[in-house]
Amino acid sequence: DTGVSQNPRHKITKRGQNVTFRCDPISEHNRLYWYRQTLGQGPEFLTYFQNEAQLEKSRLLSDRFSAERPKGSFSTLEIQRTEQGDSAMYLCASSALRQGRPVIEQYFGPGTRLTVT
Amino acid sequence: AQRVTQPEKLLSVFKGAPVELKCNYSYSGSPELFWYVQYSRQRLQLLLRHISRESIKGFTADLNKGETSFHLKKPFAQEEDSAMYYCALSGARGSGNTPLVFGKGTRLSVIA
Repeated sequence: DTGVSQNPRHKITKRGQNVTFRCDPISEHNRLYWYRQTLGQGPEFLTYFQNEAQLEKSRLLSDRFSAERPKGSFSTLEIQRTEQGDSAMYLCASSALRQGRPVIEQYFGPGTRLTVT
Repeated sequence: AQRVTQPEKLLSVFKGAPVELKCNYSYSGSPELFWYVQYSRQRLQLLLRHISRESIKGFTADLNKGETSFHLKKPFAQEEDSAMYYCALSGARGSGNTPLVFGKGTRLSVIA
């Protein structure tokens, strides 16, 4: 499968612990997005990168959340001091640039389901 | 502010019946509208976008700027159409489009 991959697929953690998720985008895709999806809701934007630069962060991204894309390839999303309200599906998506402009179509990964107990 | 509204959480239709999944949006500029679909145990995938004006798996959607709607339609539903459908919007801006804003989704159930 050459699509977007995410690891782990499931994570159960206790409140107060730190967790880190990884996303590997489609090769050569410049843009990488993180979304969060809770039960009964559509995906909600968290942040996105163009290459290694983090270009935008949603107000949903509290200071306990940090995302990196150090070499412009894979990305990590870390949540510190997890809370029960952080329980959600965390989705990653990537998109390409064509002729210098971003292609809107985003390809999604399978997601990481986080459960905070 | 950008907002996408899908008024129906669940839509059940019989096989062979027409389907219309409603989507209304709020955006002051020029939007790009999309429909994404998620089949059981699969990842979210793009179904169609308004700009390409194509028909995918028999589905079509027309952007109506006057009514700010982008309803998804199919004349004859098939059982394999049963899935979760999300309408999404991206707004144009100088540096490229804004990140996608999704509706809450509509679950389509096609009954044999």
